[in-house]
Amino acid sequence: SQQGEEDPQALSIQEGENATMNCSYKTSINNLQWYRQNSGRGLVHLILIRSNEREKHSGRLRVTLDTSKKSSSLLITASRAADTASYFCATDNNNDMRFGAGTRLTVKP
Amino acid sequence: EPEVTQTPSHQVTQMGQEVILRCVPISNHLYFYWYRQILGQKVEFLVSFYNNEISEKSEIFDDQFSVERPDGSNFTLKIRSTKLEDSAMYFCASNQAADTQYFGPGTRLTVL
Repeated sequence: SQQGEEDPQALSIQEGENATMNCSYKTSINNLQWYRQNSGRGLVHLILIRSNEREKHSGRLRVTLDTSKKSSSLLITASRAADTASYFCATDNNNDMRFGAGTRLTVKP
Repeated sequence: EPEVTQTPSHQVTQMGQEVILRCVPISNHLYFYWYRQILGQKVEFLVSFYNNEISEKSEIFDDQFSVERPDGSNFTLKIRSTKLEDSAMYFCASNQAADTQYFGPGTRLTVL
């Protein structure tokens, strides 16, 4: 299966702390994307990292990609209560995108 | 900023009825997708569509499902005879090429 698998399944932290979520996958990819989903709502695209990139930043988000280990991580720095959501990685191989099960992040104020 | 829109936001139907979920992708996008998310579960790929034909479909996308781009703007997902297990959020997405897919807000389908 090409699907990304996130860990942990659930993460609970205090506001201000950093949150790290990991994603592993099994097959080759063109890019890997991270999405956020608030409870019962749609998917919001956060960041895309291509297979030839190792690290990417966007605001408080930092994504790394290690294609040799077939893994990626999403780091949210200085977390806020509003970051509470589910975070999904999705592997993309020529527009064939498959999602992982997600990490449920809870940031306590 | 352009966005993908979906209608209706919530659809309630009786088992066995046909439903059509509608999506308006971003206007200059060429690739279109449907995904579903059963409550509390992960997002699952259903189908991708390019150049007026299905380019890929998952095992979930059986003969009960069909997609169509009836005009230059809409992209529809039809479920011919709904089952209870079809209850889910259905997301449409679009992109220009092998790049970021932009998702719509979803349609919540409830089959009674």
